[in-house]
Amino acid sequence: SAVISQKPSRDICQRGTSLTIQCQVDSQVTMMFWYRQQPGQSLTLIATANQGSEATYESGFVIDKFPISRPNLTFSTLTVSNMSPEDSSIYLCSVVGMNTEAFFGQGTRLTVV
Amino acid sequence: QKEVEQNSGPLSVPEGAIASLNCTYSDRGSQSFFWYRQYSGKSPELIMSIYSNGDQEDGRFTAQLNKASQYVSLLIRDSQPSDSATYLCAVLSGGYQKVTFGTGTKLQVIP
Repeated sequence: SAVISQKPSRDICQRGTSLTIQCQVDSQVTMMFWYRQQPGQSLTLIATANQGSEATYESGFVIDKFPISRPNLTFSTLTVSNMSPEDSSIYLCSVVGMNTEAFFGQGTRLTVV
Repeated sequence: QKEVEQNSGPLSVPEGAIASLNCTYSDRGSQSFFWYRQYSGKSPELIMSIYSNGDQEDGRFTAQLNKASQYVSLLIRDSQPSDSATYLCAVLSGGYQKVTFGTGTKLQVIP
């Protein structure tokens, strides 16, 4: 299984600011995924981060709000821009393993005040 | 129609009983199916994978898949209080490595 390191683990941010979340994987992977889990809800896919090309965003998520970088096959960042309290959530980085199972980082618990 | 559906629960079972968790999915092309356990405040943890019709057993856990009915289930035998968590059903869409999650079923095992 892949080992995924995600940081920060939690943060409290002021509205209007931005936070960048980092995700490091211990092996090279083609695609990395960013999910959001709002309080009491399931996981919602934000975007797929592809190395060497722009991220693919799901319906309801846009690049201006959630810019993603993928500089190499082991690293990705997700930025939550111009934050509002509605962005308070857990953000999770994920990769798909050899048997198509998904592995997750520890998550970033974001609170916007 | 939601792509992956689960009862939100809570499902309460006494310690030692069998807990049965159910999930239906809408994409007939789905090939891979997973159950994740998520403790409060933690990230999801993969506990079972199943890829073909029938049963897949791992210790106290059994995953069951019926593609004709588009139905996946998870049985937990000899339930323990430590099994109390939210269980997420996840489905990998056919032809694309996108995993879709259900809303999760909260399981409570009563000592």
